[in-house]
Amino acid sequence: EADIYQTPRYLVIGTGKKITLECSQTMGHDKMYWYQQDPGMELHLIHYSYGVNSTEKGDLSSESTVSRIRTEHFPLTLESARPSHTSQYLCASSRTATSPQYFGPGTRLTVL
Amino acid sequence: DAKTTQPNSMESNEEEPVHLPCNHSTISGTDYIHWYRQLPSQGPEYVIHGLTSNVNNRMASLAIAEDRKSSTLILHRATLRDAAVYYCILRDVNNAGNMLTFGGGTRLMVKP
Repeated sequence: EADIYQTPRYLVIGTGKKITLECSQTMGHDKMYWYQQDPGMELHLIHYSYGVNSTEKGDLSSESTVSRIRTEHFPLTLESARPSHTSQYLCASSRTATSPQYFGPGTRLTVL
Repeated sequence: DAKTTQPNSMESNEEEPVHLPCNHSTISGTDYIHWYRQLPSQGPEYVIHGLTSNVNNRMASLAIAEDRKSSTLILHRATLRDAAVYYCILRDVNNAGNMLTFGGGTRLMVKP
């Protein structure tokens, strides 16, 4: 069983608010990822991290930022949420480059 | 990045085997073949992966063609809980981001 957690599961907020989506894993994985997925659409990588103090942008441009201060924690922040940010955000982690990625349950964000 | 081609949808009867095909004719020698599935309103779930040899685990079997240009995910006895979108993904060990690139996948429908 994968131990990766995301909070909140659902979030409805107004435009202009700053939000942080939490992601934690207890497996000691070095690699962590954030994906974005609109309903019925493909997943797109927006951020990834090789380890502590390492973060990179993914193939889909995003206005969000991430940090990796601790191995187990990889939060995603939106400084000023907009309706275009409405989507599902999925966090994942893996032990190595070729090992499976384990996904959290996702955060469904709605910006009004 | 090498791409994969899967049928958009497939149907199966409950308790019958299901063979989900995937073509990856441009696969490179360093690409691992991964399969994930995504149930409605959930994050993706790792199913199985392999490089050259056929693989079995408690969830499924993976049959890889000798030339590695195609593979087949085998669910030995489909249940209603197996209804999901199944993604065939290539992961290059040399990929800087080691991300998963999700295509459209195959939507599996299981009839009782």
